[in-house]
Amino acid sequence: EVQLVQSGAEVKKPGESLKISCKGSGYSFTSYWIGWVRQMPGKGLEWMGIIYPGDSDTRYSPSFQGQVTISADKSISTAYLQWSSLKASDTAMYYCARPRRDGYTYDYWGQGTLVTVSS
Amino acid sequence: DIQMTQSPSSLSASVGDRVTITCQASQDISNYLNWYQQKPGKAPKLLIYDASNLETGVPSRFSGSGSGTDFTFTISSLQPEDIATYYCQQYDNLLLFGGGTKVEIK
Repeated sequence: EVQLVQSGAEVKKPGESLKISCKGSGYSFTSYWIGWVRQMPGKGLEWMGIIYPGDSDTRYSPSFQGQVTISADKSISTAYLQWSSLKASDTAMYYCARPRRDGYTYDYWGQGTLVTVSS
Repeated sequence: DIQMTQSPSSLSASVGDRVTITCQASQDISNYLNWYQQKPGKAPKLLIYDASNLETGVPSRFSGSGSGTDFTFTISSLQPEDIATYYCQQYDNLLLFGGGTKVEIK
């Protein structure tokens, strides 16, 4: 059974760094892309970017390029989303999701990680 | 950049009603469009892929149609468990979600 298990909720202060994780299981982690999706409170879904753990090929939405870093450690089947300096506007639920081999049709999703940034 | 215009942003309908949501792309995206359902507090769920293909296990009352720039998502007979927000998603150029349609029971 394919599963994506995300790390727990985080409460941080503005300016702090953060790395959240998404562990894949039940499939060949290096053979499928993993993407990240942001959902701000009461708002819609925003695609942030995607990584192919097999070779670390990474693509970003123009809206998130330079704002976050997506990475993966294939030795432990885990993808990451990180910030170097959080802002209050980063407060959101973040989902990881695994698309089909087309790279764009997301049929498996993590449970979400709530990130709260507040002074 | 491709823009996706989803409408309406919300709707209220009675159980058994036919519900239709539209998604319009700013340029031709062929059939590179998916539809997702998100219930409150839950992750999104894939319902329709490639504009008109029903995902395995999804009830047949859900359907999708369209190609090019104009797409339609339909619930043929609204059920109480269909209360959710629905999103279209294009993948012709990177990936972009529509703004969402919140479906409520009247």
